[in-house]
Amino acid sequence: DTAVSQTPKYLVTQMGNDKSIKCEQNLGHDTMYWYKQDSKKFLKIMFSYNNKELIINETVPNRFSPKSPDKAHLNLHINSLELGDSAVYFCASSRRAGTTNTGELFFGEGSRLTVL
Amino acid sequence: KNQVEQSPQSLIILEGKNCTLQCNYTVSPFSNLRWYKQDTGRGPVSLTIMTFSENTKSNGRYTATLDADTKQSSLHITASQLSDSASYICVVRVGGSQGNLIFGKGTKLSVKP
Repeated sequence: DTAVSQTPKYLVTQMGNDKSIKCEQNLGHDTMYWYKQDSKKFLKIMFSYNNKELIINETVPNRFSPKSPDKAHLNLHINSLELGDSAVYFCASSRRAGTTNTGELFFGEGSRLTVL
Repeated sequence: KNQVEQSPQSLIILEGKNCTLQCNYTVSPFSNLRWYKQDTGRGPVSLTIMTFSENTKSNGRYTATLDADTKQSSLHITASQLSDSASYICVVRVGGSQGNLIFGKGTKLSVKP
């Protein structure tokens, strides 16, 4: 069984469209994340949710809106897509780091978004 | 400013050879340092974690070191295989309740036959 699964794996769309990427984890983790990996392969945090509550919201255009219906799901909705949004988006999950937990990230396989 | 710098940016070696990847960080307070391997078209996967008290840790042909005084870590790969071709990302966790992660930009390793 896939631990962190995201769909779709590939997404090609026109500028100005609205699209969503879905993510689900079956690891029982309480924290989920969205990362953006650009053409230079640098991973940048976008959002982090803990128990359905937003805890990290980096400087991301408000066209990006995360939605967490429950602890196992964190979806990413993007409005009015722009060329610069083309990238690979990774969902990840972890247990909240603490004294006995090192907070290892478990990543999905990525969703490659291409905006034409 | 919390930063993680990795070197080299890219590396090409012949199959069977050894190599060492470097990670320097200026993260404070320090919690732990993790090396991730990212195969092409896949998500990163954790290889090993180093905490403050650990100097060396091995995972098969991968050996990570940590020098907390100089704030440096290395990942040594022994007897490289074609399947080692990937990006290797160093990630440092900031200490404290927030526990933010600081990512390096990765080293792209290519192992040639």
